[in-house]
Amino acid sequence: QQPVQSPQAVILREGEDAVINCSSSKALYSVHWYRQKHGEAPVFLMILLKGGEQKGHEKISASFNEKKQQSSLYLTASQLSYSGTYFCGTEEERNTGNQFYFGTGTSLTVIP
Amino acid sequence: NAGVTQTPKFQVLKTGQSMTLQCAQDMNHNSMYWYRQDPGMGLRLIYYSASEGTTDKGEVPNGYNVSRLNKREFSLRLESAAPSQTSVYFCASRETVRGGYTFGSGTRLTVV
Repeated sequence: QQPVQSPQAVILREGEDAVINCSSSKALYSVHWYRQKHGEAPVFLMILLKGGEQKGHEKISASFNEKKQQSSLYLTASQLSYSGTYFCGTEEERNTGNQFYFGTGTSLTVIP
Repeated sequence: NAGVTQTPKFQVLKTGQSMTLQCAQDMNHNSMYWYRQDPGMGLRLIYYSASEGTTDKGEVPNGYNVSRLNKREFSLRLESAAPSQTSVYFCASRETVRGGYTFGSGTRLTVV
């Protein structure tokens, strides 16, 4: 089932922080985060596996609460290069084989 | 550069025409995928191949066929194109369920 992302869009000034949320109604094995710039392919940022992980990637980090089936992506001290659409992807645990779904995306615009 | 290579980058088809999208990866990944991306709908899985010799339907398989030619190559065929198949198509590969997806650069397909 497709995860729900919020907000749908956000505009930041350089240096500001942002949080993007991703929520599922199913038990999750993992959560992925990707960034896609206009006209380009999505680029993998990080994966969080069940076990309540928190990961960091430069000034971009994420957490995963498997009990709440939620993940959040944190962007601190935003830079112009952070602009793009951010997608979460959730891998649902199933006996018949895990199923993976992408969210509908959050558009992030960083302005000077 | 290592990665996923897709051809063609752009294509215009007339309704009823057929075409094959080609995809090759050089990362020795077992799993390969075809996604379509439409505005506001995120990425939706068309077909996937968990390993050489196997293929399975995703969320939106109608109107498409696939072939896993070998470990490197995974092609997507539209037998009789319809305007509803106008979209951006991405091929992706993945090493294991503990890793992220690597995407090709995409094919922008318009069916008139």
